[in-house]
Amino acid sequence: DAGVIQSPRHEVTEMGQEVTLRCKLISGHNSLFWYRQTMMRGLELLIYFNNNVPIDDSGMPEDRFSAKMPNASFSTLKIQPSEPRDSAVYFCASSRDTPLLNTEAFFGQGTRLTVV
Amino acid sequence: QKEVEQNSGPLSVPEGAIASLNCTYSDRGSQSFFWYRQYSGKSPELIMSIYSNGDKEDGRFTAQLNKASQYVSLLIRDSQPSDSATYLCAVDNNAGNMLTFGGGTRLMVKP
Repeated sequence: DAGVIQSPRHEVTEMGQEVTLRCKLISGHNSLFWYRQTMMRGLELLIYFNNNVPIDDSGMPEDRFSAKMPNASFSTLKIQPSEPRDSAVYFCASSRDTPLLNTEAFFGQGTRLTVV
Repeated sequence: QKEVEQNSGPLSVPEGAIASLNCTYSDRGSQSFFWYRQYSGKSPELIMSIYSNGDKEDGRFTAQLNKASQYVSLLIRDSQPSDSATYLCAVDNNAGNMLTFGGGTRLMVKP
């Protein structure tokens, strides 16, 4: 298995532009997480999907951020319009639920976003 | 109070020593606990999971869980310079398979 695959690895964009980050889950996993990591705030959960359904989006900073999961293996995180304070590394992680215990979450390589 | 707290460090230990990393959490209902290692510029990598009170050993790593005191720790025996990284503690929130991460502890192992 290739693991969680994110694209692009690096993105530099101008303020005001739309940015779309992509994530492919590990085959057989049914939970997906989008995280953002900065030096100041550490690793923050933005949104969590389970079986393609958004379960908790309380971490999404504001309406400029949106996430979708059009099928069981793929997700997008969109920022529109982007702002310099959105600059961070965005990670996607996936896991496979079991009825009793949470299974481990596996991370993609991340997308380093720079908004200038 | 943060949900998952770690000392940011850096924690500096000499090569060959035992490194002890600690984490406290606030949700008494949490059932699953994980330690991730993150090298600079890389993604978090799972190294240990623990679900029951007590110790769990895997090679040079030992995870310890005390639910009554709401802390989880990671011991690294015979520390190597290659262990130098940030170690992230993650705890489920018992509300549906969501992990909350601590801020991480930066470990430096000096040759």
